[in-house]
Amino acid sequence: DTGVSQDPRHKITKRGQNVTFRCDPISEHNRLYWYRQTLGQGPEFLTYFQNEAQLEKSRLLSDRFSAERPKGSFSTLEIQRTEQGDSAMYLCASSLAYRPSQNEQFFGPGTRLTVL
Amino acid sequence: KNEVEQSPQNLTAQEGEFITINCSYSVGISALHWLQQHPGGGIVSLFMLSSGKKKHGRLIATINIQEKHSSLHITASHPRDSAVYICAVSLDTGNQFYFGTGTSLTVIP
Repeated sequence: DTGVSQDPRHKITKRGQNVTFRCDPISEHNRLYWYRQTLGQGPEFLTYFQNEAQLEKSRLLSDRFSAERPKGSFSTLEIQRTEQGDSAMYLCASSLAYRPSQNEQFFGPGTRLTVL
Repeated sequence: KNEVEQSPQNLTAQEGEFITINCSYSVGISALHWLQQHPGGGIVSLFMLSSGKKKHGRLIATINIQEKHSSLHITASHPRDSAVYICAVSLDTGNQFYFGTGTSLTVIP
């Protein structure tokens, strides 16, 4: 399977714990995106990488959130001191785009986080 | 203020019915995307369009750039079409998507 993969698929944690999610994009894709989706809502943009450079971060990405893409391939999203409001589906997407008109994003299955 | 508005939020149809989901946006875009999300979370891209009309099987997507409006049509709907359909736009800068809240479709046999 050469699509976008995410690990883990589900994570249950206690409030105050740190969690880390991993995303493996389609191998030749240079862009990688993280989104958050709460129940009944559409996804919301968190951050975006072009190769290893983090080019844009949403205001939603508080200082408890950090994302990396060290070698321009897989990416990790870490949430420190989790809060119940962090419970959501965290989606990763990747694209190969050099022009905005080519920006078709391919989504992973998501990581569902539950903070107790 | 949401850059992308979808309607209806929920839709129930009988198998075989023709279905229309609408999307309006308020920003300049480079492309509009229709996405399908099944229970469990996985999102699949159905269409990416910047003008005119595209067809894939029983699905048709249209866009009117002047009116900033797009529609997704499903002909001869089937229970397996039951899913959440999400409209998203990529801006002229092309760096991220803005998503609508989705339309939850249930097709009853």
